[in-house]
This record gives sequence, C-alpha cells and structure tokens, in this order.
Amino acid sequence: NAGVTQTPKFRVLKTGQSMTLLCAQDMNHEYMYWYRQDPGMGLRLIHYSVGEGTTAKGEVPDGYNVSRLKKQNFLLGLESAAPSQTSVYFCASSPLDRDYGYTFGSGTRLTVV
Amino acid sequence: GQNIDQPTEMTATEGAIVQINCTYQTSGFNGLFWYQQHAGEAPTFLSYNVLDGLEEKGRFSSFLSRSKGYSYLLLKELQMKDSASYLCAVRHQTGANNLFFGTGTRLTVIP
Repeated sequence: NAGVTQTPKFRVLKTGQSMTLLCAQDMNHEYMYWYRQDPGMGLRLIHYSVGEGTTAKGEVPDGYNVSRLKKQNFLLGLESAAPSQTSVYFCASSPLDRDYGYTFGSGTRLTVV
Repeated sequence: GQNIDQPTEMTATEGAIVQINCTYQTSGFNGLFWYQQHAGEAPTFLSYNVLDGLEEKGRFSSFLSRSKGYSYLLLKELQMKDSASYLCAVRHQTGANNLFFGTGTRLTVIP
C-alpha cells in the first residue's frame, strides 16, 4: 500500500519554465490537496479537490493550476515559474470521514532560478 | 481568516515531559489536529480533538479548550527520536476538511 506518491522529488527550473507535479493516492480518498511549505510560513493551501472533476482555490492559488481528471490523481501545474515559487510542495489526501487527518506525500523540493 | 500561534522552538531532556501549546483564532472552528514532521520528511498525523478535553494516545496526549482557543500536545517519556517539528492545524467548517497550519514548533530532545 503506497499511500500518497509524489513525483518528482526534486526539480530545478529556470524562471519562465513550466512543469507539472503529479500526486497519486491509492486509498480511494475523496479529498486531495496541494500545500507549499516555506521556512517561517508553515504549510499553506494552494488548491484542493472534493472529488473527481472538481477543484477549488486555497489560500495561495496565484501562479498555479490544478486538475483532477481521475479520482486517484491530482496534478499541480506551474505555467511560468517564478523564484517566489521556490518551495517544498506537499500533496495530501483524506477520506470523507472527518475524524481522520491527512495522509501526506513525501514532498517535492522545487527550486526556481 | 485564521490565526494560529505556537512557539518556534523548544528544548527538553530525554525521559522528561514537554508541553507544546497552540492558540488559535478562527471563524467556523471544526477540529484541531497535531502533526509530527521530521526534518526533510512529510508530516504525519498524531492526534485530533473536536470536543473539549484530553485525548490520550500512548506517550502523546492532546488537549483542547474551544472557549479559550487553546490546545496543547503533551509528550511523555521523551525519546531522542521525538526531535521533530510539531504542527498545530485547525480545520474550518467549510471546505473539504481544509486544514490551516501554524508555523510549527521545533522540538530538540537532548540527552
């Protein structure tokens, strides 16, 4: 049981380049999330999804897009990367049962130069 | 909006007890979570409180007072492997179980 898998684990981008971060979960969870974690800022919600085909904005959505075409996958896209998007990105999922917390992926460390 | 405060750093001795506090101000509170995060790793779920009182899980306990906007995580019989960041997170009533995180408390356990 893999849980939540994120790819890639590390990436370096040049300013203006685009990329997609992939998140896959095998727990049949309804809800999926993308967070970024920066020193002194804590985890901040970028976008989330309540089910296949749905997405919604979180606290810091600017510069990012997401898609959830299949229930198990949640993609995070950067159309034109900026140095301010240098961060560690975590994907997470949770079931409908609200007594359970999130299961996080292992993270993607992205550097934009 | 959400405002979640916790101390930035704490140090405690192996075998001792440590209490990590978290205060929050939020509209639409619907639960408080604690996560553990070792350096360079993903956060892992520790505990969940939605009603006032103490929840105990082995060496870890978490307390919640909704009227005071206050929670704490209590770690007993500290071990070196407990050195990590501890994240307090508040769930909002709306949204998909959306959690709002504090900046975390980095705990260092010394021999």
